[in-house]
Amino acid sequence: GQQLNQSPQSMFIQEGEDVSMNCTSSSIFNTWLWYKQDPGEGPVLLIALYKAGELTSNGRLTAQFGITRKDSFLNISASIPSDVGIYFCAGFFQGAQKLVFGQGTRLTINP
Amino acid sequence: DSGVTQTPKHLITATGQRVTLRCSPRSGDLSVYWYQQSLDQGLQFLIQYYNGEERAKGNILERFSAQQFPDLHSELNLSSLELGDSALYFCASSVVASGTTDTQYFGPGTRLTVL
Repeated sequence: GQQLNQSPQSMFIQEGEDVSMNCTSSSIFNTWLWYKQDPGEGPVLLIALYKAGELTSNGRLTAQFGITRKDSFLNISASIPSDVGIYFCAGFFQGAQKLVFGQGTRLTINP
Repeated sequence: DSGVTQTPKHLITATGQRVTLRCSPRSGDLSVYWYQQSLDQGLQFLIQYYNGEERAKGNILERFSAQQFPDLHSELNLSSLELGDSALYFCASSVVASGTTDTQYFGPGTRLTVL
């Protein structure tokens, strides 16, 4: 119930394509965060969402806090080689003291 | 650059040994969080400190301990190391205590290898 299910686990796309990934849970979340992690580096915050229905953009990235508060998605438009990496969703569910992470989506881009 | 610093970047040691990982939070942040990431695994929350006091505990082994000092830097102590403790250890910081609706910024991590 407190787990985050992130999908897909991996994506292999062509440069220029759009990307979509999502996280779902059976629990209600108060906050959704999306991070990108390069190999051997720390996660870097991409987008933070704090209200149900909120839609936020950061350059070519767009993320939404689901209306049910149990899901969130991240879209990347017109992918470029530097988008390669692992994307993690994370969130605080109601009553939680800790940030829970999804399993990650590994993005690979073919030039 | 997130503003969170961690040292050392790499650490290689032997089983049974003890190591200390250090973290300095972003300027103004009072909360420090420690995470473990094993190979191809997600991030597992270990422990949180807020303004010097332990605030929340996750999946932290009894062989591990942490503290936050008056200058707000934090140390994670790992003792009686086992091969399975080899992982990336990340520190994150945030402004407030509860964590709810608060955004965490991650350091570059310390890669621990236990031989």
